[in-house]
Amino acid sequence: NAGVTQTPKFRVLKTGQSMTLLCAQDMNHEYMYWYRQDPGMGLRLIHYSVGEGTTAKGEVPDGYNVSRLKKQNFLLGLESAAPSQTSVYFCASSYSRAEVHSNQPQHFGDGTRLSIL
Amino acid sequence: EDQVTQSPEALRLQEGESSSLNCSYTVSGLRGLFWYRQDPGKGPEFLFTLYSAGEEKEKERLKATLTKKESFLHITAPKPEDSATYLCAVLGSNYQLIWGAGTKLIIKP
Repeated sequence: NAGVTQTPKFRVLKTGQSMTLLCAQDMNHEYMYWYRQDPGMGLRLIHYSVGEGTTAKGEVPDGYNVSRLKKQNFLLGLESAAPSQTSVYFCASSYSRAEVHSNQPQHFGDGTRLSIL
Repeated sequence: EDQVTQSPEALRLQEGESSSLNCSYTVSGLRGLFWYRQDPGKGPEFLFTLYSAGEEKEKERLKATLTKKESFLHITAPKPEDSATYLCAVLGSNYQLIWGAGTKLIIKP
């Protein structure tokens, strides 16, 4: 099983350029998440989705947009990239948001390493 | 403010040398504490969920415990393949996961 697949794995952008990060999951999970991981810091939630067609802001949403047109896909967009957005981006999915009730943990992809010059 | 602090930042052990990693948390209404393992260049991989103080979970050489203020990940007789970064995350009453920065564990043969 593929689980959670992220594309691309690496990307270098110039300041002001735009791009979309793709995330696909094959586990029929309702919930999907986008995180960024920076050195010395914990994972920070950018946006999340509780189902097809719905999205919500996380802890650090500024400068990012998301869309979930299909249940299995969750897209993260950078409209005008800035050097502060240099990071490793992780997509995750889970059966439910309230993991305590379902005991279903978040499943992660292997990340997209993004550098903004 | 909800907060998760992991210590130490890095830990180097000899193969077979047992030790513990710490995850201290401040959260209102703990709904769960999660341990994940992350290998270089990979995403986090789920290990354990703990729900209440006094609970313990085990998997191979790993044992996770929980008190009202912290969780420990005990590693017994570690092997080089246990080398990874171990992440702790806490789920509070607002259902937001708060992640620690992780402990990088290096096991030398």
